Amino acid sequence: SQKIEQNSEALNIQEGKTATLTCNYTNYSPAYLQWYRQDPGRGPVFLLLIRENEKEKRKERLKVTFDTTLKQSLFHITASQPADSATYLCAPSAAGYNKLIFGAGTRLAVHP
Amino acid sequence: GAVVSQHPSWVICKSGTSVKIECRSLDFQATTMFWYRQFPKQSLMLMATSNEGSKATYEQGVEKDKFLINHASLTLSTLTVTSAHPEDSSFYICSVPTHGPYEQYFGPGTRLTVT
Repeated sequence: SQKIEQNSEALNIQEGKTATLTCNYTNYSPAYLQWYRQDPGRGPVFLLLIRENEKEKRKERLKVTFDTTLKQSLFHITASQPADSATYLCAPSAAGYNKLIFGAGTRLAVHP
Repeated sequence: GAVVSQHPSWVICKSGTSVKIECRSLDFQATTMFWYRQFPKQSLMLMATSNEGSKATYEQGVEKDKFLINHASLTLSTLTVTSAHPEDSSFYICSVPTHGPYEQYFGPGTRLTVT
């Protein structure tokens, strides 16, 4: 069955450093991979989408990579700030298929 | 993107009663909406796909007679939790997928507590 793995342990980093979060998937051949941010008690917010033919995508301080051979996506936040503290969810998806299955998420805590 | 609202933001009800949650797409005509449930410290679990003008599609293990979904217009989907029990207490979130690669825009969620 399809499986999505994200680090279940919280990631604690110092302000200004780069945070790197990992999303691994098995039994999947996604055409896209999406990343979302979720704050406690709120709905997720869409951040970035990367296609299978794109190796890397950037948006401001965010960078996502997508390695279909390793079946892995990495999500980077550079120059992290305490306001970046949240849970980050990944969701691979097939082409032409808008139903998303989310990973469990990784909680990021950025300390001043 | 799409702006999505939910109502109510939180609700407390007694065991055995029914509760209706509304999801509105404020600026996007949504033929499809999704309903998720999230328990504390867990990820979102897709419950069902709401289809405008037709029956909803439920995920495996979700009781369609317990979680009634109605998608009567392009801007409104409702989820009714019937005969609610304490184990139905959860955070219910809806989302609207946009065109193309289908990134989703989520509502703020509804916290349901069944006593």
